[in-house]
Amino acid sequence: DGGITQSPKYLFRKEGQNVTLSCEQNLNHDAMYWYRQDPGQGLRLIYYSQIVNDFQKGDIAEGYSVSREKKESFPLTVTSAQKNPTAFYLCASSTWAGWTQQETQYFGPGTRLLVL
Amino acid sequence: GQNIDQPTEMTATEGAIVQINCTYQTSGFNGLFWYQQHAGEAPTFLSYNVLDGLEEKGRFSSFLSRSKGYSYLLLKELQMKDSASYLCAVRDRNTPLVFGKGTRLSVIA
Repeated sequence: DGGITQSPKYLFRKEGQNVTLSCEQNLNHDAMYWYRQDPGQGLRLIYYSQIVNDFQKGDIAEGYSVSREKKESFPLTVTSAQKNPTAFYLCASSTWAGWTQQETQYFGPGTRLLVL
Repeated sequence: GQNIDQPTEMTATEGAIVQINCTYQTSGFNGLFWYQQHAGEAPTFLSYNVLDGLEEKGRFSSFLSRSKGYSYLLLKELQMKDSASYLCAVRDRNTPLVFGKGTRLSVIA
């Protein structure tokens, strides 16, 4: 089955701790994205990557870091610098053929991060 | 950047028709997407519009007017399972998708 997996489903973070959220896709998509969703809010883009070993900051990148060493994987680290990390984190992927093309994003099931 | 507006909440009756509006402002429009998101779950793709007009997919249709910066999602023959949030997302020239805050639809018997 092709799809996007995120783990874990729930994650607890202690103050001052870094945590890493996993995102894996077997859709052979070039582009991957990380979003944050807070209650009553839309999705806000944290980071995105259109190709292996390259990524760009989104609208709210402060306090987060990513890597893209493999096409299938795009892990997100929530660092201790992120002061309000409690949120629902969604990973997505899409084909990539340039900004003028339709690239439908497909989402993973999400990880809910809670601060203890 | 884009400014995307959708109503926060709507309520409709089972079997009825509901229209969810989305207005946006862009400097270089490059496509509009509608997603459905059930509570606690991931968004799922519903429709894509890049040219003016109506796109129909079963019970769901999406309309776009680029000159007015306006789109709507039309849901017919509403079912209880249609209770969800509906997200409008717009691509501006050479930038990633920007999502609106979503419209929470409640379908009542």
